[in-house]
Amino acid sequence: EPEVTQTPSHQVTQMGQEVILRCVPISNHLYFYWYRQILGQKVEFLVSFYNNEISEKSEIFDDQFSVERPDGSNFTLKIRSTKLEDSAMYFCASTPGQGRGNQPQHFGDGTRLSIL
Amino acid sequence: SQQGEEDPQALSIQEGENATMNCSYKTSINNLQWYRQNSGRGLVHLILIRSNEREKHSGRLRVTLDTSKKSSSLLITASRAADTASYFCATDQVYSGNTPLVFGKGTRLSVIA
Repeated sequence: EPEVTQTPSHQVTQMGQEVILRCVPISNHLYFYWYRQILGQKVEFLVSFYNNEISEKSEIFDDQFSVERPDGSNFTLKIRSTKLEDSAMYFCASTPGQGRGNQPQHFGDGTRLSIL
Repeated sequence: SQQGEEDPQALSIQEGENATMNCSYKTSINNLQWYRQNSGRGLVHLILIRSNEREKHSGRLRVTLDTSKKSSSLLITASRAADTASYFCATDQVYSGNTPLVFGKGTRLSVIA
């Protein structure tokens, strides 16, 4: 069964440094998402992306965050200047069509980001 | 206000017993989904129920939706040790602003063999 893959599985970064998290969505999916889960807390929506543009973004997704689809397969999340509070699991997800909440989202296993 | 709050926060049962988890939400929804998350892994979709549906089944899973009470329940029958995971509901709100899916904090289910 096709999977969403994320790399790296664990990223350790000094505060203030830039970090790029990578995702390969399922190949025939058109909508891509990033979520964050701080340890022990709920999964929070960050951003959705379609047709090389941001479709929706939450209040968490401020100017420090950006997303890109640099080629036909990768979908990246960049944090420009990391803060301690950015430490969390970051999940990528994809859906075949305009998901919002009317179709299942397919999640990767996440990248654990630790800011020191 | 919080959307998609599950209860209980944690549930421990013996293998073979049924597990019931509840989700409450505050605003009108289009759809509600349930996901499972094994420790250290991503979320796996279980069931999607639309606002005009009252009940859905998938294998040992049964989901109900009561839009008048703004609540949903997930029942896992004849539980197995492999069902040990966290379970989250996620709501697709009618007036959601810029957030397509809102997740609750989840219920941690432990099934003891």
